[in-house]
Amino acid sequence: SQTIHQWPATLVQPVGSPLSLECTVEGTSNPNLYWYRQAAGRGLQLLFYSVGIGQISSEVPQNLSASRPQDRQFILSSKKLLLSDSGFYLCAWTRDTNQPQHFGDGTRLSIL
Amino acid sequence: AQKITQTQPGMFVQEKEAVTLDCTYDTSDQSYGLFWYKQPSSGEMIFLIYQGSYDEQNATEGRYSLNFQKARKSANLVISASQLGDSAMYFCAMREASNYGQNFVFGPGTRLSVLP
Repeated sequence: SQTIHQWPATLVQPVGSPLSLECTVEGTSNPNLYWYRQAAGRGLQLLFYSVGIGQISSEVPQNLSASRPQDRQFILSSKKLLLSDSGFYLCAWTRDTNQPQHFGDGTRLSIL
Repeated sequence: AQKITQTQPGMFVQEKEAVTLDCTYDTSDQSYGLFWYKQPSSGEMIFLIYQGSYDEQNATEGRYSLNFQKARKSANLVISASQLGDSAMYFCAMREASNYGQNFVFGPGTRLSVLP
């Protein structure tokens, strides 16, 4: 069966520090991968979308970047965090466009 | 423009009663998919039900059913026999074509509270 792992679960970082959140999927190949951000009490905002290794699409201009160095690995990064980067970050995958997205457990990021 | 509209920020329902959560969508695609997710306070996103734009019958999954009215562009979620564990945020989402292939758009969510 397929599983998705996302870490860390929580993270507290100072303003201006770098960021690296990692997401990996097991049990499938060539998944579509997504990074979302969710502000407190709000819906999900799509940040990045990837259909394959090295293929990243950005939906919203921001302080963040994403990379897909391997087929089932998706990394969210920042060189210098801003206060506005605080939120709940969710990674998701889907194999087929008629199938639902499967989400990781999320990372709660707090910027001080 | 808002692609997914959920007009009910919060809803209350008595335990064991049915509740309908509203969702309207906006797309010019002929082929699209509609999803409902549940997010409890723990934060995980749990898939509930899916409706394809070409599906003629309303989707059902246990106590969940989707009232799909294509002409009105609505995809309301009906939860029958509410349980206390149904208290959570509920998100309606749509899959549609984008410049990058397929895109998923989420609504702002409805917070459901089930009362004992």
